[in-house]
Amino acid sequence: ILNVEQSPQSLHVQEGDSTNFTCSFPSSNFYALHWYRWETAKSPEALFVMTLNGDEKKKGRISATLNTKEGYSYLYIKGSQPEDSATYLCAFKKNNAGNMLTFGGGTRLMVKP
Amino acid sequence: NAGVTQTPKFQVLKTGQSMTLQCAQDMNHEYMSWYRQDPGMGLRLIHYSVGAGITDQGEVPNGYNVSRSTTEDFPLRLLSAAPSQTSVYFCASSPRTSGFYEQYFGPGTRLTVT
Repeated sequence: ILNVEQSPQSLHVQEGDSTNFTCSFPSSNFYALHWYRWETAKSPEALFVMTLNGDEKKKGRISATLNTKEGYSYLYIKGSQPEDSATYLCAFKKNNAGNMLTFGGGTRLMVKP
Repeated sequence: NAGVTQTPKFQVLKTGQSMTLQCAQDMNHEYMSWYRQDPGMGLRLIHYSVGAGITDQGEVPNGYNVSRSTTEDFPLRLLSAAPSQTSVYFCASSPRTSGFYEQYFGPGTRLTVT
């Protein structure tokens, strides 16, 4: 069983605050790292798929970085809005492991207006 | 496209009963997976398939069977339901062509075993 950990487990911020959270994963046999956004009562939706060490991806106010050598990825949200409230999941894809993804436990973000 | 569909949305079973959770996708994705989601534990992989006729076990396969007779369908069978199988079940698919295994999730099935 692969160890994929996310921190913090939950986070409360005020509207307008910038925030970031961490996903750590095994640094060997890396293939890809995914970030998903999961709103309450909906299904998870992919935000980013990252494959190269040093990758940086951006979508609007949300961005992510990847360090495969040390086994971590950061997700940043600039100027949080109430609609950013969701659980953010990361998922690690190992090399030569078929379609298997290992998910972290998620970071639950709540943005207060 | 309907994407990934799951039925039923909700189900209550008694211990020992069996049932099948249905999953279908209309995106011609080769890869499909079943996950369960429990509080504080994220998503855990139950079974997955890389194509019709090919399935494999994930992290928590015990008590579940799958089959993949067509590209579109990937049903999950609970053989003899136990209270520990109370969970929310998500089916997902991903296209082989992207090479990155991005998951497209269905709406989920909330299962309670009493």
